[in-house]
Amino acid sequence: SAVISQKPSRDICQRGTSLTIQCQVDSQVTMMFWYRQQPGQSLTLIATANQGSEATYESGFVIDKFPISRPNLTFSTLTVSNMSPEDSSIYLCSVEDPQALLREKLFFGSGTQLSVL
Amino acid sequence: SQQGEEDPQALSIQEGENATMNCSYKTSINNLQWYRQNSGRGLVHLILIRSNEREKHSGRLRVTLDTSKKSSSLLITASRAADTASYFCATVPNRDDKIIFGKGTRLHILP
Repeated sequence: SAVISQKPSRDICQRGTSLTIQCQVDSQVTMMFWYRQQPGQSLTLIATANQGSEATYESGFVIDKFPISRPNLTFSTLTVSNMSPEDSSIYLCSVEDPQALLREKLFFGSGTQLSVL
Repeated sequence: SQQGEEDPQALSIQEGENATMNCSYKTSINNLQWYRQNSGRGLVHLILIRSNEREKHSGRLRVTLDTSKKSSSLLITASRAADTASYFCATVPNRDDKIIFGKGTRLHILP
């Protein structure tokens, strides 16, 4: 299993500012995933963070808006830059179960509920 | 892109009753998973069913998979107040593909 500590749990921010979300995993993992969940919606993958290389972004998400760091195998940050009210969402980090087969089980952090005024 | 589509979108039942949620998907899959999310927090993995399986059980959970109809159902028996949550199906088209989540079913258990 994997335990993920994600912080902050929630924040209220002014438009035009940036927020950095941190995720710490209790074991070494190759990939960490960052998701966005807009109000009442499903999860959308923002990017996959690999240690030692640039993150891989999904269509519709760009590095300038969502820069990601992955300094080691247990930690990652996602920054939401130059925020607007449309960025109000829950942001979640996730890792695969290291004891399961590929793509068979995800563990999630507790989420960051972001409100942009 | 959206793969799984759950129905109903919302479901309210009395405590003790059984709850059934359905998931339909569009392309062939390697596996299908169900997750629970309480009050907008992190998701918790409930159960996995692979494409060559038809039914699996885990405690009060029963999941079925019909690959010919591209659909799955999640049954929660003897529901409890603590089962109040959103439930998401997630599909994996191929092992090297990303996991794609459906829109979810909001389940409310009435006391």
